[in-house]
Amino acid sequence: KQEVTQIPAALSVPEGENLVLNCSFTDSAIYNLQWFRQDPGKGLTSLLLIQSSQREQTSGRLNASLDKSSGRSTLYIAASQPGDSATYLCAVIPDTSSNTGKLIFGQGTTLQVKP
Amino acid sequence: DTAVSQTPKYLVTQMGNDKSIKCEQNLGHDTMYWYKQDSKKFLKIMFSYNNKELIINETVPNRFSPKSPDKAHLNLHINSLELGDSAVYFCASSRTSDEQFFGPGTRLTVL
Repeated sequence: KQEVTQIPAALSVPEGENLVLNCSFTDSAIYNLQWFRQDPGKGLTSLLLIQSSQREQTSGRLNASLDKSSGRSTLYIAASQPGDSATYLCAVIPDTSSNTGKLIFGQGTTLQVKP
Repeated sequence: DTAVSQTPKYLVTQMGNDKSIKCEQNLGHDTMYWYKQDSKKFLKIMFSYNNKELIINETVPNRFSPKSPDKAHLNLHINSLELGDSAVYFCASSRTSDEQFFGPGTRLTVL
């Protein structure tokens, strides 16, 4: 059974710092992995999607990497800003669910960037 | 402009009532989903429809009945609401197994 874990659960950093959020999954047979951002009381915003054949994806100050064999993904945020404060969620589609799109989520990391 | 929209945004109701949540997407996607986010913020899939056909039903009580009148709409009807149904319900859409886009959520409170 696929399980997704995100550590730490919460993180507080000063503005301007580069930071890494971690995501691990128990079964390396994944179809893709998606990182989301959730602001309090809001929906999820898709940040990056990494297909199983890819090693990384970049969007602006965000870079997500994927190491399927070790069951890990990281989300790197460069030069953090207070506006980056949110909960970041990692989710995978297992290979066995590739025709259904069933996402399995981690618990999220709540990030606070202090001015 | 809104890609995935849900109504209502908030729903407060008494135990035992029946309620519906509506979802619409204008992205031309063929797959739509319902997710539940519990009080601990954990997100779990409930249902998925592909081209109006049910493809995932994650052992959700049959008090929950999704209905997809067309590819752009997926509604969720809940009968005999219970306290434990209180949660935030998110609708999402995608091309099958591609990047998923979420709606703003419906916060359901059962009193």
